[in-house]
Amino acid sequence: NAGVMQNPRHLVRRRGQEARLRCSPMKGHSHVYWYRQLPEEGLKFMVYLQKENIIDESGMPKERFSAEFPKEGPSILRIQQVVRGDSAAYFCASSVQATNTEAFFGQGTRLTVV
Amino acid sequence: GDSVTQMEGPVTLSEEAFLTINCTYTATGYPSLFWYVQYPGEGLQLLLKATKADDKGSNKGFEATYRKETTSFHLEKGSVQVSDSAVYFCAPNLAGGTSYGKLTFGQGTILTVHP
Repeated sequence: NAGVMQNPRHLVRRRGQEARLRCSPMKGHSHVYWYRQLPEEGLKFMVYLQKENIIDESGMPKERFSAEFPKEGPSILRIQQVVRGDSAAYFCASSVQATNTEAFFGQGTRLTVV
Repeated sequence: GDSVTQMEGPVTLSEEAFLTINCTYTATGYPSLFWYVQYPGEGLQLLLKATKADDKGSNKGFEATYRKETTSFHLEKGSVQVSDSAVYFCAPNLAGGTSYGKLTFGQGTILTVHP
């Protein structure tokens, strides 16, 4: 059973471009969480999705950021019109159910905006 | 508001030394408590957890006890190895409930163990 797969591992975008980060949860997992780690800081929760639904987006910036988890395929974190301050490591985690089960993390995508 | 404070690093130890990484939190309720570890080039892995007061989580020689009175969850290991070199994150579930996915992470402590 493969772990949580994130791609790409490294992504470079110019200011104003769009960034699309992908997360394939572990097999059988229908709950996905996205986190952002800015330099010198801990991971910050962004959004929690369950298949086709956004459950909790309390940590998502109000503009330019969106997330989806379609019925088929990976979860996507989309950042439009990237700015230098978006440079960070973005981590995805998945779990088989919402409560009382471990969340497994991917290796992260490191986004650099130049 | 709710928050977590983790001992700053980096921490450098010799092999077989004793390790303590402090973690305290503020919360309105009684959150579940977790320690995650990130080895070089890998994703975060759950190291241990405790879900109620006085519980002791343990794994790979590491231990942490849920101290309700001091709102702390310090990580300890009696004899570290070179292979323990990694970044350690304290991560309570300050959102409450029993979700293990929505966590509040400390800033991480870099541990380096020398032979």
